Amino acid sequence: DIQMTQSPSSLSASVGDRVTITCQASQDITNYLNWYQQKPGKAPKLLIYDASNLETGVPSRFSGSGSGTDFIFTISSLQPEDIATYYCQQYDNLPWTFGQGTKVEIK
Amino acid sequence: EVQLVESGGGLVQPGRSLGLSCAASGFTFDNYALHWVRQRPGKGLEWVSGISWNSNNIDYADSVKGRFTISRDNAKNSLFLQMNGLRAEDTALYYCTKNKRGAGGARATFDYWGQGTLVTVSS
Repeated sequence: DIQMTQSPSSLSASVGDRVTITCQASQDITNYLNWYQQKPGKAPKLLIYDASNLETGVPSRFSGSGSGTDFIFTISSLQPEDIATYYCQQYDNLPWTFGQGTKVEIK
Repeated sequence: EVQLVESGGGLVQPGRSLGLSCAASGFTFDNYALHWVRQRPGKGLEWVSGISWNSNNIDYADSVKGRFTISRDNAKNSLFLQMNGLRAEDTALYYCTKNKRGAGGARATFDYWGQGTLVTVSS
């Protein structure tokens, strides 16, 4: 199975800050990587697919980059409504696997 | 508007069975693969099983292979998960999810999720 390792596991930042989350795959997954946002008590929501494509309706402050084994998810200016846990997910090989999540809080 | 509504969760004893259902609407059901993803209490996301648009391709996580069976009824816009031999570690919120890519798109990107149905396995 492909292991997905996210860092950090949690972070605290101020409104307006730039937030960066990394995701590392245990093997080359090309660009077969998605990012999801899960707010407390809610289902996950797709934000980024194919490593860098913004899902329709998602604010442009969210972005993704990377290929191969190393990927980055960025919130350019953190907003109060961005409080959530963020997950990366690979879809290069079965079984489809997720990172352990990064909890983002407001400082 | 795409809607996925899960049902069938509940409290069940270890070793027993339970069947989950997912009623879908708002998209051309038989054009898309569907999946079950679960989340143990306070934990991360785990893909459980997926089924292609025509049921010809079915996959399972190793943790449920041989115990769970996924199926779909395209005439009724419904997805199912039959869970047998349940274990305490199967306790989780089970989400029904839709694949973003249409027929032929085997790689899993989950673009719509239901609200989940809770399965608790305990004596």
